[in-house]
Amino acid sequence: QSVLTQPPSASGTPGQRVTISCSGSSSNIGSNYVYWYQQLPGTAPKLLIYRNNQRPSGVPDRFSGSKSGTSASLAISGLRSEDEADYYCAAWDDSLSDVVFGGGTKLTVL
Amino acid sequence: QVQLVQSGAEVKKPGASVKVSCKASGYTFTSYGISWVRQAPGQGLEWMGWISAYNGNTNYAQKLQGRVTMTTDTSTSTAYMELRSLRSDDTAVYYCARAPGIAAADGFDYWGQGTLVTVSS
Repeated sequence: QSVLTQPPSASGTPGQRVTISCSGSSSNIGSNYVYWYQQLPGTAPKLLIYRNNQRPSGVPDRFSGSKSGTSASLAISGLRSEDEADYYCAAWDDSLSDVVFGGGTKLTVL
Repeated sequence: QVQLVQSGAEVKKPGASVKVSCKASGYTFTSYGISWVRQAPGQGLEWMGWISAYNGNTNYAQKLQGRVTMTTDTSTSTAYMELRSLRSDDTAVYYCARAPGIAAADGFDYWGQGTLVTVSS
């Protein structure tokens, strides 16, 4: 199983706000930045949030990230059908000296 | 624009080796690292390691130490990932990704399109 823990699924209706959690430990989220990636069906992952809460240019401000202690969250407001994708959190782990990923959350827009 | 273009799909037998390439364009190759991430069918993402395109320093995932080698060719702005002693559970899509930070600690901002490696007898 994954070092970072995410719920396997999440859902919402268009226009709603959805949050996806990512739980880790002091050696990863607790002491390093968190990153979020969006993977649309059949495509490569795309960087969505970097350094806990920063958006790369081109990423809508409907997407936001936050971190508190050993947990992080991705929030998506004004949900749209094109947001239907898999979302992964990631962080550097000081104990493993590895990048660790969450198991991914499949977001369904109802 | 930044692009990472990977080599085509491969089919290998158990015990064989595979070498995947990743050609970068649209930025100064030696100013960034390259990480490799794989995804088994229907599964999540797994980090494999990182190489500095500046000096060739590497940092491999513990799980793959001894089986993986990452290299770069700065003359062609191409990164390579070789995986040896292939097993069926190495069947996956392999992605290269640009890594802005040191040792892959600062995320991956651009990704290749992926290369499917199938290991089957």
